[in-house]
Amino acid sequence: RKEVEQDPGPFNVPEGATVAFNCTYSNSASQSFFWYRQDCRKEPKLLMSVYSSGNEDGRFTAQLNRASQYISLLIRDSKLSDSATYLCVVRGYSGGYQKVTFGTGTKLQVIP
Amino acid sequence: NAGVTQTPKFQVLKTGQSMTLQCAQDMNHEYMSWYRQDPGMGLRLIHYSVGAGITDQGEVPNGYNVSRSTTEDFPLRLLSAAPSQTSVYFCASRGPGQTLYNEQFFGPGTRLTVL
Repeated sequence: RKEVEQDPGPFNVPEGATVAFNCTYSNSASQSFFWYRQDCRKEPKLLMSVYSSGNEDGRFTAQLNRASQYISLLIRDSKLSDSATYLCVVRGYSGGYQKVTFGTGTKLQVIP
Repeated sequence: NAGVTQTPKFQVLKTGQSMTLQCAQDMNHEYMSWYRQDPGMGLRLIHYSVGAGITDQGEVPNGYNVSRSTTEDFPLRLLSAAPSQTSVYFCASRGPGQTLYNEQFFGPGTRLTVL
């Protein structure tokens, strides 16, 4: 089982739609969680951190469920510019150092 | 601030050649790391450094060497290139290692092809 698993997609959605991505992680000792966005042939960039209480940033909402070991990202009112791959990132300590594990990403294509 | 810079952007090597991928950051970050990204796989950690003079292996270190003589620079050396090292390489940096939610910044990547 992969340490961090995501549905690779692609998710093809019309403009204005709401889309949700899930990510599961296997290490129950994981401590911090993030969603990164990666545009085609570009570097990953932080979209938002995911806190235990859930957090929102404009059209984006992130949730964390520690009991079930998954995090989610909800995008409302999708824009063409939201088309990208969304990476789930989990951090925790392993062998004395802070280990960062990336999911393989979920591809989103927003269609006009 | 330039952030994290990488050179070259593209490189083609022949099997057996060696080369160094350069990475520099101007944010005074302690923690720097090198990842490779292959289709269908998440970013995988090659080597990392928690400060000048301190480096350690990540998940896929074989065939690569690193050094960290300054806070700013963290070059990655391919000792004898193999086709399996064809990949996109990203350098990343972030602030103090013990902080759980500090942002990790990535360089623009180096696309390497080994023939």
